[in-house]
Amino acid sequence: QVQLVQSGTEVKKPGASVRVSCTASGYTFTNYIISWVRQAPGQGLEWMGWINVGNGNTRYSQKFQGRVTITRDSSARITYMDLSSLTSEDRALYYCARGGAKFCSGGSCQGSGWYFDLWGRGTLVIVAS
Amino acid sequence: QSALTQPASVSGSPGQWITISCTATSSDFGDYTYVSWYQQHPGEAPKLIIYDVNNRPSGVSNRFSGSKSAKTASLTISGLQAEDEAVYYCSSFTGTNTPVFGGGTKLIVL
Repeated sequence: QVQLVQSGTEVKKPGASVRVSCTASGYTFTNYIISWVRQAPGQGLEWMGWINVGNGNTRYSQKFQGRVTITRDSSARITYMDLSSLTSEDRALYYCARGGAKFCSGGSCQGSGWYFDLWGRGTLVIVAS
Repeated sequence: QSALTQPASVSGSPGQWITISCTATSSDFGDYTYVSWYQQHPGEAPKLIIYDVNNRPSGVSNRFSGSKSAKTASLTISGLQAEDEAVYYCSSFTGTNTPVFGGGTKLIVL
């Protein structure tokens, strides 16, 4: 089954860091881009960054640059999103989503396209003292 | 404020059709080629329903269609059903290939 399965709810204190994982199944993991998108309570969607799972290249939103790190473990088919220096403003649902970029070279492409075609169910991160 | 502007809400009765607009308010979106739309029901993850302006993924009802004119993309839902009540987000990419989402539109089926 093609799916992204995310880790469970995290409760962190202000100033701490959090790691959220996203495990892929049902497709060729290294052929795609994985993005992280967050949604604050009652708010819209906000792209945080992506990782090219094939080569490990990353790109981050300027808003989160310096605070977010996205990595992957290709053998385990897992993508990780680390967010540091948490504040109450970081309380949100964090989604991993397949897509967000596409790179083609020499007749082959990395990524499904300029859209997000597969989403995890989200991981709630609560920041409270 | 997102650089992609959507109405906060739209409404329609079952069987009718509605249109949700998504306007790029910045010149930073180039030809505005890569527009996608997502449906999000309460408590669920977003679901891709339209990509590359007017393409439907496999399994998405043909009641959903997309279009674009200049810097305004539109999602049209025909034959409204109660299950279509959800929040709809548009998305596109800036000239530096940075993904951006619209603020979302709540569709109310009367």
